[in-house]
Amino acid sequence: DAKTTQPNSMESNEEEPVHLPCNHSTISGTDYIHWYRQLPSQGPEYVIHGLTSNVNNRMASLAIAEDRKSSTLILHRATLRDAAVYYCILSTGGTSYGKLTFGQGTILTVHP
Amino acid sequence: KAGVTQTPRYLIKTRGQQVTLSCSPISGHRSVSWYQQTPGQGLQFLFEYFSETQRNKGNFPGRFSGRQFSNSRSEMNVSTLELGDSALYLCASSLDVGFEAFFGQGTRLTVV
Repeated sequence: DAKTTQPNSMESNEEEPVHLPCNHSTISGTDYIHWYRQLPSQGPEYVIHGLTSNVNNRMASLAIAEDRKSSTLILHRATLRDAAVYYCILSTGGTSYGKLTFGQGTILTVHP
Repeated sequence: KAGVTQTPRYLIKTRGQQVTLSCSPISGHRSVSWYQQTPGQGLQFLFEYFSETQRNKGNFPGRFSGRQFSNSRSEMNVSTLELGDSALYLCASSLDVGFEAFFGQGTRLTVV
């Protein structure tokens, strides 16, 4: 499985933008980049995913480097409810059907 | 629409017993994956089913098994329970590879 590297933790203030980085230097051409987050005592929650182009949805934006070896999850205005563990995951079809390989993730702390 | 439903939410079993956990996916989703989450190992992939067929399996012993029914509902079974099987078991459903996965709240299994 292709690996991802994320900082262990990050902090932000409420109402400010947050940029969560992820390195995936061994990504293959068919790997999708997924972001999930897990709030305390809950199952992981889908945030966003993309393949090559930058993506936006109501929760966040995903900026993908041109060489696809890194990506950044952008929360435009952090709220206290965004405090969670954020996971950057690569997945593809073939032998990885349905498999999301979760790393340690980034613990995001949001200060009021 | 209704989310992924896992039952039961909490379970206490004795070493050596077996247990069956249930997962009802989102309507229309044919892919169901199972994960084990522990403080030490994090989230680990168990297996994935699509249209009643197991397409992928993680590195878990044969005591862990699963199945999927024609209505896409899935069950996982753990036989001869060990103390180390105590964990949060999460189920996720999706349309297929490349689509976002939706997780249930999980079943908290405690083996005593």
